[in-house]
Amino acid sequence: SAVISQKPSRDICQRGTSLTIQCQVDSQVTMMFWYRQQPGQSLTLIATANQGSEATYESGFVIDKFPISRPNLTFSTLTVSNMSPEDSSIYLCSVDPGGARSDGYTFGSGTRLTVV
Amino acid sequence: AQSVAQPEDQVNVAEGNPLTVKCTYSVSGNPYLFWYVQYPNRGLQFLLKYITGDNLVKGSYGFEAEFNKSQTSFHLKKPSALVSDSALYFCAVRGYNFNKFYFGSGTKLNVKP
Repeated sequence: SAVISQKPSRDICQRGTSLTIQCQVDSQVTMMFWYRQQPGQSLTLIATANQGSEATYESGFVIDKFPISRPNLTFSTLTVSNMSPEDSSIYLCSVDPGGARSDGYTFGSGTRLTVV
Repeated sequence: AQSVAQPEDQVNVAEGNPLTVKCTYSVSGNPYLFWYVQYPNRGLQFLLKYITGDNLVKGSYGFEAEFNKSQTSFHLKKPSALVSDSALYFCAVRGYNFNKFYFGSGTKLNVKP
């Protein structure tokens, strides 16, 4: 299965600032996914990042708040813009390298964001 | 619509006893079901999956899950719990277009010595 390196592992940020999270995969994958896990809650899909096209955002998430880049098949970034304390969460990137019968997602170790 | 439900926020079990973490699902078409585990300060790790075939699926770390179509359930089980099994467990179903996973709310498993 794919190995994902996600950076930073954690950060404490001031409200109103932005943080960019990086996700590097050790193999080429078509789609990369960004999830948010709010404290004590399950994972919510933010967007799907496709190489060569704009990301597809889920309901409740917008590009201005969570811009995503996907410059190649092994790398993606998620920016959390104009942060507020409500953005304090764990952000996870994931990939699905195997198709319909794969073991599902491989997840990065996550970025624990605290906004103060 | 695809969804999963984990009715228990927390499960407490003594070490050495059997454990069950419950999951029910609602899907259109054939279900593709998964269990993931999340240890503190770690990402999610794949445990096991059901795609088709035998209703009893064996996975990592001695865990298994039983697919029950009539009850639309996919409960996670282990015959003898370890303290190191204490973690957050998520049931998930794969979307009909295979591009999305829908996660349950998670169940915190506490295994006490």
